[in-house]
Amino acid sequence: AQRVTQPEKLLSVFKGAPVELKCNYSYSGSPELFWYVQYSRQRLQLLLRHISRESIKGFTADLNKGETSFHLKKPFAQEEDSAMYYCALKGQAGTALIFGKGTTLSVSS
Amino acid sequence: DTAVSQTPKYLVTQMGNDKSIKCEQNLGHDTMYWYKQDSKKFLKIMFSYNNKELIINETVPNRFSPKSPDKAHLNLHINSLELGDSAVYFCASSQGWLTGELFFGEGSRLTVL
Repeated sequence: AQRVTQPEKLLSVFKGAPVELKCNYSYSGSPELFWYVQYSRQRLQLLLRHISRESIKGFTADLNKGETSFHLKKPFAQEEDSAMYYCALKGQAGTALIFGKGTTLSVSS
Repeated sequence: DTAVSQTPKYLVTQMGNDKSIKCEQNLGHDTMYWYKQDSKKFLKIMFSYNNKELIINETVPNRFSPKSPDKAHLNLHINSLELGDSAVYFCASSQGWLTGELFFGEGSRLTVL
């Protein structure tokens, strides 16, 4: 069965502190993994995908198949990073993108 | 230009009523989805259509009926509304059904009293 686990419901950090939002997945094949973000009063939008290996807004995420993880990291958090972050998995053809339960990131000064 | 738009944004209704939510996308995508976000912000897939054909139908009560009149539209009709149907319903679209890159609407908040 496909599953995405985000163990933290809420992560609170101070501005300038490093951030790591955890994501673990369960999938027997080769998954495609994504991070989506929902800022306050905005629609859910794609932040980054593992196949791109890119950095968006200072965030990076590396797929670790051995640990079945796809943690989202940023070295120095900004207040504008405060949002709800969802990890998502796209498995075999014919299945929809499934989401973890989300982690609210709160960055305060 | 709004890429994925849903109407209405807010809907308050009584138990037992029937209501519809409409979704339109102007991205030229082939695939559209309905997701439900519950009070704990958990996002769960309900339906997916590809080229007007239903391809994903998760375990959803048959009071929920999606309809896709064309590739750009996916509507959701709900019969005999129950308290547990209160949620935010998100429409999304993608270029094909193999991608995980979805474009979401702003959501429609349904409150059943």
